[in-house]
Amino acid sequence: DADVTQTPRNRITKTGKRIMLECSQTKGHDRMYWYRQDPGLGLRLIYYSFDVKDINKGEISDGYSVSRQAQAKFSLSLESAIPNQTALYFCATSGVGRDYNEQFFGPGTRLTVL
Amino acid sequence: DQQVKQNSPSLSVQEGRISILNCDYTNSMFDYFLWYKKYPAEGPTFLISISSIKDKNEDGRFTVFLNKSAKHLSLHIVPSQPGDSAVYFCAASARDYKLSFGAGTTVTVRA
Repeated sequence: DADVTQTPRNRITKTGKRIMLECSQTKGHDRMYWYRQDPGLGLRLIYYSFDVKDINKGEISDGYSVSRQAQAKFSLSLESAIPNQTALYFCATSGVGRDYNEQFFGPGTRLTVL
Repeated sequence: DQQVKQNSPSLSVQEGRISILNCDYTNSMFDYFLWYKKYPAEGPTFLISISSIKDKNEDGRFTVFLNKSAKHLSLHIVPSQPGDSAVYFCAASARDYKLSFGAGTTVTVRA
């Protein structure tokens, strides 16, 4: 079974709709992240959380919100989707110790906003 | 402004030859660097990393070189294999548990 799972894997929605992307992990990591990938721009950080009570904005948080429901769950919401939010979204986790910089990624959610 | 730059969007190499991927960074606070590999329809997976206290790290066919004075790192893959065809991302960290990524380089290994 995958350590980091994302649902849905693909989603097509319309402008103005609210949508939630979910992430779950079984790695026992405290730190979780949401990224989007766009062609030519790589992965950009949207939000991150270092524990259940800690939520931080990343470099491109406008138009997004997050919820850390438990250590293992971190969801990303688009309150009113717009076409330029069409992208590939990744959730990631990281732990502590020697390899604390290494992040483990989910398989991604391909979101299309029409 | 991107702090990590991969200026070559793509690289084509013949099977068995060396692949060299380059990465430049601008933030002098970065002290840990990673390379990730990504196949279509999958998330990025960790490949190899290097701390700023080293200038080279090797893991099998993969070697990462770091030149701190030039703020430059490179990934060497020797010999290149068809399964190495993927997108490679360079990433950097400044001890804040966050990663800054480059735009990626698509490697195609020709038979």
